[in-house]
Amino acid sequence: KAGVTQTPRYLIKTRGQQVTLSCSPISGHRSVSWYQQTPGQGLQFLFEYFSETQRNKGNFPGRFSGRQFSNSRSEMNVSTLELGDSALYLCASSLEVAGFNEQFFGPGTRLTVL
Amino acid sequence: SQQGEEDPQALSIQEGENATMNCSYKTSINNLQWYRQNSGRGLVHLILIRSNEREKHSGRLRVTLDTSKKSSSLLITASRAADTASYFCATDQGAQKLVFGQGTRLTINP
Repeated sequence: KAGVTQTPRYLIKTRGQQVTLSCSPISGHRSVSWYQQTPGQGLQFLFEYFSETQRNKGNFPGRFSGRQFSNSRSEMNVSTLELGDSALYLCASSLEVAGFNEQFFGPGTRLTVL
Repeated sequence: SQQGEEDPQALSIQEGENATMNCSYKTSINNLQWYRQNSGRGLVHLILIRSNEREKHSGRLRVTLDTSKKSSSLLITASRAADTASYFCATDQGAQKLVFGQGTRLTINP
């Protein structure tokens, strides 16, 4: 079974631009979560989608948004990029068995904002 | 902000030695998980321990959980060079939200 895939793997943008990152979960997984990883703040939860609905959201500004499609693939968008948005963005999918929450992570998208 | 605190932040040991990493958290949890990350790549799930469990083993890994102290430890026995990585604890807050600690950077010296 193929793992979680994320595209692109690397991205360079300039301040003020917007960016869209894509995540394809493991086949059969309906929950997709996004995390931001920076040296200063570590790993922080952005949001989680299940069956095309955002169920949970972290403490990030409205410039960060996402969506999920009917095939469970997910995208996240960051508008009006700031230097501080430079980070590794990780996507994780989960089968969501009751009482168990193992998340399978993709390789990440490394975003650099200049 | 991170809920968890990991200790130590960095650990360097000789191959074959055991490595112990500790994690503390602040709120009640459903379960606690440990992940490994190799040099800026994605995270690999290592082990999950439920809130009603005290100890769990998986191969060379041993995890303990003390909910009264809100702490957990990860022991890697007979370390190998391939164990060099960052290790994170994550608490399950429900609704697929994991809250990660800052991580321990483990270096295994040959």
